[in-house]
Amino acid sequence: DTGVSQDPRHKITKRGQNVTFRCDPISEHNRLYWYRQTLGQGPEFLTYFQNEAQLEKSRLLSDRFSAERPKGSFSTLEIQRTEQGDSAMYLCASSLHQMKIGGSRSEAFFGQGTRLTVV
Amino acid sequence: KQEVTQIPAALSVPEGENLVLNCSFTDSAIYNLQWFRQDPGKGLTSLLLIQSSQREQTSGRLNASLDKSSGRSTLYIAASQPGDSATYLCAAYNFNKFYFGSGTKLNVKP
Repeated sequence: DTGVSQDPRHKITKRGQNVTFRCDPISEHNRLYWYRQTLGQGPEFLTYFQNEAQLEKSRLLSDRFSAERPKGSFSTLEIQRTEQGDSAMYLCASSLHQMKIGGSRSEAFFGQGTRLTVV
Repeated sequence: KQEVTQIPAALSVPEGENLVLNCSFTDSAIYNLQWFRQDPGKGLTSLLLIQSSQREQTSGRLNASLDKSSGRSTLYIAASQPGDSATYLCAAYNFNKFYFGSGTKLNVKP
């Protein structure tokens, strides 16, 4: 397995257009996360999936954002009617979430990200 | 809500120095603490993961420690090299998500 893959690496779009990003996680991982990162800041949580179920969405994820993970494999993040404030790096991560006696373990592996620029 | 802080925000050192990066978190009920490296315009590369039951982890010149009771973790880099120049991020895992600090930007001068 080559790790987490994201496509495209870069996207420039005009304000008001729709964009879709894809993430292919590590195959045996049961969790998939989407994060957003702006310059000089740490990544901020957007949403996560356990297999195919979307279990949590951040308040950052307005109704213009939608994410899917059909069949619990790859995931897509769509932004409708893009705004300049959506310009950021969108990062995908996957992990194998394991419940163990004494505590859980979840190690995140990130993709290279998709850099979105809205002009 | 978990809040993670990293100090310092930036650090510049000459090659060969040993250095310590600091990470603090407000909610000690974490499952694990993970350190990442990020090069400009790139994704995050996992360096070390410390589970809540562990005190430290080592990989090569890197050593990470965890003190849950005080809400702190440190990343120790021995004999720094120019190739270590990058932004280092820590992430606390609880409430089913990873909470990140803003990172420490490290510059190692030749």
